[in-house]
Amino acid sequence: AQKVTQAQTEISVVEKEDVTLDCVYETRDTTYYLFWYKQPPSGELVFLIRRNSFDEQNEISGRYSWNFQKSTSSFNFTITASQVVDSAVYFCALIRYNFNKFYFGSGTKLNVKP
Amino acid sequence: GAVVSQHPSRVICKSGTSVKIECRSLDFQATTMFWYRQFPKKSLMLMATSNEGSKATYEQGVEKDKFLINHASLTLSTLTVTSAHPEDSSFYICSARVQGATYDTEAFFGQGTRLTVV
Repeated sequence: AQKVTQAQTEISVVEKEDVTLDCVYETRDTTYYLFWYKQPPSGELVFLIRRNSFDEQNEISGRYSWNFQKSTSSFNFTITASQVVDSAVYFCALIRYNFNKFYFGSGTKLNVKP
Repeated sequence: GAVVSQHPSRVICKSGTSVKIECRSLDFQATTMFWYRQFPKKSLMLMATSNEGSKATYEQGVEKDKFLINHASLTLSTLTVTSAHPEDSSFYICSARVQGATYDTEAFFGQGTRLTVV
């Protein structure tokens, strides 16, 4: 069975602090895809990143970075120098190869205070 | 990037009535669309997979007769909540994949519909 766990329900930081959102997944598949989505208060899901199971390279995009470690089944997301606009709920998700269904984590609500 | 438009964004209806939610892919064709439901402060749960020109595939525990899905064209899927009750109040969000896309491509999500049944 597939499962995505985001243990942090809610995190509050002050602007300019760095923050890491944890994501741990379970799957017996060897080929799968991991995603991060941002859900601002308006509700839509904004795509942030996709990573396949064979690519363990860490990625940096501006203030965002992702650390994928298959050994610990984790795909953590770090925001550097957080901003108020980063306040949102962030979802980690997994898709199995050859399947369409997203397995979403429960989400982490990030509050960035000025 | 590709855009998925969902309408309406908010709807309030009386208990016992039916509500239709539309999901459109604006600049691409989507043979497959997905409907998710999100309870307050909870994750998104897949309800059904909508296939153009054929019957939708429902996830276990989702009532087919309660949540009617129609995917009549490559750019439109609709979800009708029939005989709505207060427990159907939720945030419904659709997503779509570009036709012919492989499984590792992103799915594009609509803006979501907040349904309140009173």
